[in-house]
Amino acid sequence: SFELTQPPSVSVSPGQIASITCSGEKLGDKYACWYQQKPGQSPVLVIHQDTKRPSGIPERFSGSNSGNTATLTISGTQAMDEADYYCQAWDFNTVVFGGGTKLTVL
Amino acid sequence: QLQLQESGPGLVKPSETLSLTCTVSAGSVRSSNYYWGWIRQPPGKGLEWIGSIYYSGTTYYSPSLKSRVTISVDTSKNQFSLELRSVTAADTAVYYCARHPGTGVGNWFFDLWGRGTLVTVSS
Repeated sequence: SFELTQPPSVSVSPGQIASITCSGEKLGDKYACWYQQKPGQSPVLVIHQDTKRPSGIPERFSGSNSGNTATLTISGTQAMDEADYYCQAWDFNTVVFGGGTKLTVL
Repeated sequence: QLQLQESGPGLVKPSETLSLTCTVSAGSVRSSNYYWGWIRQPPGKGLEWIGSIYYSGTTYYSPSLKSRVTISVDTSKNQFSLELRSVTAADTAVYYCARHPGTGVGNWFFDLWGRGTLVTVSS
């Protein structure tokens, strides 16, 4: 079955670039999306169809997807970006989530 | 602005059936542009898709839960529902309802979520 793998944690200093990866077999041949989830809140879609930002999502959030890896990049990371991030893709009518990455802004 | 709201018992006994409803407000579950889904999250763990439904009744289920799950839609009440049978403690989770823009390639992303409801399985 199709699986997505994320690093459990990523740390970044304020103002720096944060990169969170999501790996899966031939993931670049599928569409990836990303969600941000803060404690006690519902997930929020931040990137869909690999690179598209929904309305209201800051421009510092961007995505890419190639080969076996999708990447969420946060440029100029702010303290408010500290959260759990989940990647998600679709494979043969099944939705698959990555295990999540806790982003810490130190 | 369209909103989703989950409702149902917060406590279910082992071996019984978990039943939840998601009410769509300021919008219509009959929209031809969207599917409606259920996702769950055990305490302190990640997200797991349960299944999705179209207003016509077309359903898609997670292979790992398919044998125990039924998702249905009631267009007259602007609601869709989840039934999970034969629950165990492993089914304890926050259950979210959410919307995704269809089943075409690239449309399986959830752009609107409910606030979630915690369901505990315990005797």
